[in-house]
This record gives sequence, C-alpha cells and structure tokens, in this order.
Amino acid sequence: GESVGLHLPTLSVQEGDNSIINCAYSNSASDYFIWYKQESGKGPQFIIDIRSNMDKRQGQRVTVLLNKTVKHLSLQIAATQPGDSAVYFCAENRYNAGNMLTFGGGTRLMVKP
Amino acid sequence: DAGITQSPRHKVTETGTPVTLRCHQTENHRYMYWYRQDPGHGLRLIHYSYGVKDTDKGEVSDGYSVSRSKTEDFLLTLESATSSQTSVYFCAISDIWREAFFGQGTRLTVV
Repeated sequence: GESVGLHLPTLSVQEGDNSIINCAYSNSASDYFIWYKQESGKGPQFIIDIRSNMDKRQGQRVTVLLNKTVKHLSLQIAATQPGDSAVYFCAENRYNAGNMLTFGGGTRLMVKP
Repeated sequence: DAGITQSPRHKVTETGTPVTLRCHQTENHRYMYWYRQDPGHGLRLIHYSYGVKDTDKGEVSDGYSVSRSKTEDFLLTLESATSSQTSVYFCAISDIWREAFFGQGTRLTVV
C-alpha cells in the first residue's frame, strides 16, 4: 500500500550528521508540545515534549526548541543514525479545550549510510 | 507498551453499512482520541473525549460519531460508511501534561 510519508516533505541527511526538523504550530493558546516518530506500519511513538513555559528541553540525542513568538518548534537529532529514519510529527495540546491534541503535517527523515 | 488495544485491526466493509471501531485502555487515562491517517495528510483528529460521556469534535468529524460510556472504552462509529472513509484509524490515550500513547491502528477499507 501507499506509504503514509509519500507526500510529506523529506529531509535527507548523512549518517552521523545532525538533523533539524521544523514545525509551525497553529494555536497560540497551546500549552504543551510533543514530537512523535512514526515508522512504517506502526502508531506514533513519543520522542520528547516541552511545556509552553519553556523554550528548550534536551533528551538523549534529541533537543526540542520552542519559539512562541513565531509559533515554531524544532527537533534536533544529534549524530543521526539509520534507525532514526521515519516520519516525524509535532503535536500541540490545549488543556483548556478538553486537552485537545492536534498534529502538524509531518516530515520524512531519510538517513543515508 | 501502554495498555491500549484497538479492534478490529483490519476491516473491509461495503458502502452504506455501519461500522464501529473499538478502543480499549487499561491505563485509566482520562483523555482518549480518534485520528485518521491518510497519505499526505498526517494525523487528523476526528473526535476526542475528556471524560466519561464527555466528547467533542475534532478537525474531521463529519460522518463519524463517538461514545464513551466508561473510562476504558471509546467507540468510533461510521453510521453509513463511504469510500472516502477508507483510512487507517488510530486511537490514543493521555493524561494531563503527559504524552499520548497510540494503539496499533485499524486499517478500514470501504468498497
């Protein structure tokens, strides 16, 4: 069947390089932001999150940056590995709207060995 | 893995027939969500629930209804399936300030 990532923007990087995936979110009232990774045939999996009162959060090999002024999120992956190849989605959460959770369009990351 | 189960995993149905998809959780999470995923559209929110009997519409709710009569179950119903509802459907659960956990998905084909 057709891949979910077929029509998504694609970022191609060399193994070992750093990757930066960007996302523009839609609602200035969003409280909480999450990055997900989705591999073919699977549901999205949590990578890292950040609350709206922060502008940076670091995990293992991943960093999320939040710029509320321009409603922009980025996900940085250090030393990208072939296993990082997947589709990445940002999501925004609005607590005051029943914890509504909506997703951005997604980016396909391809890692070249 | 979080305790979230979707059923059925695959279904083929005819246009005009009713279809119900079930999402069952064992995590006692307050919030539950139904999404559809189509090529080029990412995940689009259909309906969500913020408690038993409390539900609201998402971005693409036309043609779908939901029910949540107990914490652990969230049902998605297509009253009269159409070919445009052929998709992969994901259920998710979450609590406040927590990431959402997703089920394995249901592949629905309407012929």
